[in-house]
Amino acid sequence: DAGVIQSPRHEVTEMGQEVTLRCKPISGHDYLFWYRQTMMRGLELLIYFNNNVPIDDSGMPEDRFSAKMPNASFSTLKIQPSEPRDSAVYFCASSLGAGLAAGELFFGEGSRLTVL
Amino acid sequence: AQSVTQPDIHITVSEGASLELRCNYSYGATPYLFWYVQSPGQGLQLLLKYFSGDTLVQGIKGFEAEFKRSQSSFNLRKPSVHWSDAAEYFCAVGARGGGNKLTFGTGTQLKVEL
Repeated sequence: DAGVIQSPRHEVTEMGQEVTLRCKPISGHDYLFWYRQTMMRGLELLIYFNNNVPIDDSGMPEDRFSAKMPNASFSTLKIQPSEPRDSAVYFCASSLGAGLAAGELFFGEGSRLTVL
Repeated sequence: AQSVTQPDIHITVSEGASLELRCNYSYGATPYLFWYVQSPGQGLQLLLKYFSGDTLVQGIKGFEAEFKRSQSSFNLRKPSVHWSDAAEYFCAVGARGGGNKLTFGTGTQLKVEL
């Protein structure tokens, strides 16, 4: 079975450019999460969706960040304009069921973003 | 709000030696507790989880963890470490009734000496 698929795996861009990260969750999973991982701050939850609806976006750092989930099999995280401090590994994860007791989070391999 | 502390940033053990990774959490009630492992260039994989019941939880790859309410701890253990266990380990906590949000610790990097 295919796991969570993220693209691109690596992205190098210049400050001010728009960045779009993509995620395909595991088929049938109804929760999707976007995490950011940095050395300084560790793993931070940015936003999560349930049945394609954003539930909690309190972790989104600022208006430059936006996330969408147009259907159950696709989500994007967009940064516009990008800044060097956005450099990080961005993980997408999906899970099935309501509440943490229902199941585990399955993580993709991450998208490593470098903003010059 | 819940929080997680992993006091050890790096740990080095010899292959075959026992391992204990520390995790302390802060939460007003009994939380959901997890350990995840991240190999280089990979996403996180669930090792084990605690929801309720028996405080000693068995996971994959020979790992176990013990929930100690009095110490607010959920330490990860393995009796004999293999070189392939070298990775970064994350403890995470979730709030009961708090939706699907997990709060992760900052991780412990495990190095295994042959």
